[in-house]
Amino acid sequence: DTAVSQTPKYLVTQMGNDKSIKCEQNLGHDTMYWYKQDSKKFLKIMFSYNNKELIINETVPNRFSPKSPDKAHLNLHINSLELGDSAVYFCASSEGGRGNQPQHFGDGTRLSIL
Amino acid sequence: GENVEQHPSTLSVQEGDSAVIKCTYSDSASNYFPWYKQELGKGPQLIIDIRSNVGEKKDQRIAVTLNKTAKHFSLHITETQPEDSAVYFCAASHYTGNQFYFGTGTSLTVIP
Repeated sequence: DTAVSQTPKYLVTQMGNDKSIKCEQNLGHDTMYWYKQDSKKFLKIMFSYNNKELIINETVPNRFSPKSPDKAHLNLHINSLELGDSAVYFCASSEGGRGNQPQHFGDGTRLSIL
Repeated sequence: GENVEQHPSTLSVQEGDSAVIKCTYSDSASNYFPWYKQELGKGPQLIIDIRSNVGEKKDQRIAVTLNKTAKHFSLHITETQPEDSAVYFCAASHYTGNQFYFGTGTSLTVIP
């Protein structure tokens, strides 16, 4: 049973297109996150939702829009894709909204912009 | 805000030797320190964590130590095996906060 699942695993698309990445967790967690991992492996928090409410919104271009239809799902929509958006995007979840609970990561979506 | 530094960035050891990865943090209010292992093509997986009310925690071949005064914590892997090869991340957070601050990662290679 996959705890945090993301789709698609790979996404190759042209510059200027709009794409979405979906994430679902079956752990019953209240909080979900989106991270971006660049080519140097640095993990950068983008967004966090607690019970469908946005609690973290780091300095991310407004072309990126998260949506949480329920606490088990957090999707990421990206408009007008740019070359610099190429990266691996990870979804994660944790129990509660506090920082002292482990985060559980999905296996990532590898986004390549042509 | 919190700043977590991690060293070394790359580490190669012979199979059977020990590996040590060190992290420092800046915010004395941080009190939760997880360690993650990321294998190729996978997401980071929690391998061990420590809270500020303890100084050391062990789980089989891995251990983590925490020095709150010096604001640093370390991951120790003994009797390394080729399957330990991966990128390891440390992180720090505070229970009243809502995010982790990750280190920059250490790429560990265990040479058979």
